[in-house]
Amino acid sequence: AQTVTQSQPEMSVQEAETVTLSCTYDTSESDYYLFWYKQPPSRQMILVIRQEAYKQQNATENRFSVNFQKAAKSFSLKISDSQLGDAAMYFCAYRSASNDMRFGAGTRLTVKP
Amino acid sequence: GAVVSQHPSRVICKSGTSVKIECRSLDFQATTMFWYRQFPKKSLMLMATSNEGSKATYEQGVEKDKFLINHASLTLSTLTVTSAHPEDSSFYICSARDHQGIYAFFGQGTRLTVV
Repeated sequence: AQTVTQSQPEMSVQEAETVTLSCTYDTSESDYYLFWYKQPPSRQMILVIRQEAYKQQNATENRFSVNFQKAAKSFSLKISDSQLGDAAMYFCAYRSASNDMRFGAGTRLTVKP
Repeated sequence: GAVVSQHPSRVICKSGTSVKIECRSLDFQATTMFWYRQFPKKSLMLMATSNEGSKATYEQGVEKDKFLINHASLTLSTLTVTSAHPEDSSFYICSARDHQGIYAFFGQGTRLTVV
């Protein structure tokens, strides 16, 4: 079974600084997708960024970028120029070719003004 | 982007009664819907996967007779918590994906409290 591990229960960053959230996963499949979701206090799950395993280029969405290391099974999220609105729970997720999605335990990000 | 609407957002019910939660895809046809449960300050745990017109596939440890899932149309899936007990109190989230979608869109979630 696939597992997703987020080793940082909590992270803190100063406004305008950069922070990196870690994620590792375990799988025997070669075709899969990886995601980062944000869950603010409203608890609505918001897609931040996605990465297809077959793509070598790291995905980027404005201030959000990933460092995808397929061999190491690592998928970290970098948030640049952190804003107060970035404060939330962040979940790393893995989706297999069989379509189910698995989530990591989450990292609570605090942004200090 | 695609919209998934979940209703109700909050529900309080008495122990022993049943509660139905609806998950609708508003602007696309969802061939697959997922139901998750989230405990406070915890991650989302997949409960079951439902495909339109077929029986849901439940994750290990999830009682299918307790959590009835119906996916009768391409835009609606329902989760019925039968004979609810206080330990069923939780936050339930649905997500939906079309046949071409890479990722799933999430509903707003339902906070269930059983008293």
